[in-house]
Amino acid sequence: DQQVKQNSPSLSVQEGRISILNCDYTNSMFDYFLWYKKYPAEGPTFLISISSIKDKNEDGRFTVFLNKSAKHLSLHIVPSQPGDSAVYFCAARGEYGNKLVFGAGTILRVKS
Amino acid sequence: DGGITQSPKYLFRKEGQNVTLSCEQNLNHDAMYWYRQDPGQGLRLIYYSQIVNDFQKGDIAEGYSVSREKKESFPLTVTSAQKNPTAFYLCASSIDRRQGANNEQFFGPGTRLTVL
Repeated sequence: DQQVKQNSPSLSVQEGRISILNCDYTNSMFDYFLWYKKYPAEGPTFLISISSIKDKNEDGRFTVFLNKSAKHLSLHIVPSQPGDSAVYFCAARGEYGNKLVFGAGTILRVKS
Repeated sequence: DGGITQSPKYLFRKEGQNVTLSCEQNLNHDAMYWYRQDPGQGLRLIYYSQIVNDFQKGDIAEGYSVSREKKESFPLTVTSAQKNPTAFYLCASSIDRRQGANNEQFFGPGTRLTVL
């Protein structure tokens, strides 16, 4: 039972345009959401996060939006750059403990 | 430099052999984790430890074992009972959430295990 779903396996965007990566979750007890970026054969690196008490968090070119009623979050990258090409994982944390549940990831390709 | 190290980067083993993957962190984090990544799949939790001398099974613990004798070390043993051990293994650590609201996990560079 996948509690965190990233339904788009891949996304291709032109350099300079907006990239929008989506993530859906089923567990209403998740209280904290994170996005990670991963290059091949490397460990994921933390990108941005959002608490369930907020609906938006911004950090430079990256903005995460949370819609709790729809159990949906999205990551916006503006403007997209070729170096943003990577796999992006959405993750969620439950109400207790430190465990994260990860989505399957979305491969982003930014074309120059 | 503070961080998480995993060694080796690539590991080859014959079928039926146990193998231990190393994970060390100098971030003074209480919690440590082991994940497995397979092509087209997300990160699946194998084991995690929130404190020294204590650890819990994750979602796919069968065929694996861990120990947490020191705060900075969390080695993972892939036993011969693991039916499909070839994968990319990732170790992570985080502060305990009771110490701070934002306890994102920091990942090591990973170990690619290939069983021949």
